[in-house]
Amino acid sequence: DTGVSQNPRHKITKRGQNVTFRCDPISEHNRLYWYRQTLGQGPEFLTYFQNEAQLEKSRLLSDRFSAERPKGSFSTLEIQRTEQGDSAMYLCASSLPGLVNEQFFGPGTRLTVL
Amino acid sequence: TQLLEQSPQFLSIQEGENLTVYCNSSSVFSSLQWYRQEPGEGPVLLVTVVTGGEVKKLKRLTFQFGDARKDSSLHITAAQPGDTGLYLCAGGAGGTSYGKLTFGQGTILTVHP
Repeated sequence: DTGVSQNPRHKITKRGQNVTFRCDPISEHNRLYWYRQTLGQGPEFLTYFQNEAQLEKSRLLSDRFSAERPKGSFSTLEIQRTEQGDSAMYLCASSLPGLVNEQFFGPGTRLTVL
Repeated sequence: TQLLEQSPQFLSIQEGENLTVYCNSSSVFSSLQWYRQEPGEGPVLLVTVVTGGEVKKLKRLTFQFGDARKDSSLHITAAQPGDTGLYLCAGGAGGTSYGKLTFGQGTILTVHP
């Protein structure tokens, strides 16, 4: 049994570069979420997929951010033209459908923009 | 906008002491989760409460959901150094936003041997 996995675990990039992160959810989970967490804060919601459909996006998700889940399995989060303010931990979570919505998180990708 | 306020933000105690962390909101949540997070790792789910007034116990941890489903508490009995970490509460909104969780800012707990 594997939980949610994320790759890479760490990414260091220069300002202005593009980066892409991958999330593999728990296999039977059809819901997938992306969150961002900065130091000393709780995670903030970015976006949410049910199967391949992106159902909700936060206002935090500027037009430099794009997320996909093309086959309803793994998901990618791309940040174009990175800025220093994008430095954060990017967390992915997955869940089964239902009102209780227990979300299980991956280990995260730590992004540092120099 | 739904907000969750956690208190205290920092807690430093000696091994064997008891403690309570609070999570409060003016909004009603359909469910509330508590997570524990280690540095550099993702949050790990401890418990989910869904019914107003519900109490759940997990070994030395006791979780309570307020009657109005707007607040929750986490009580740890006889804290141990292994309990050290960041504790997060998160509320599920229900309705059209049932996909997302709203997190509190967290409580950093340090238990000294």
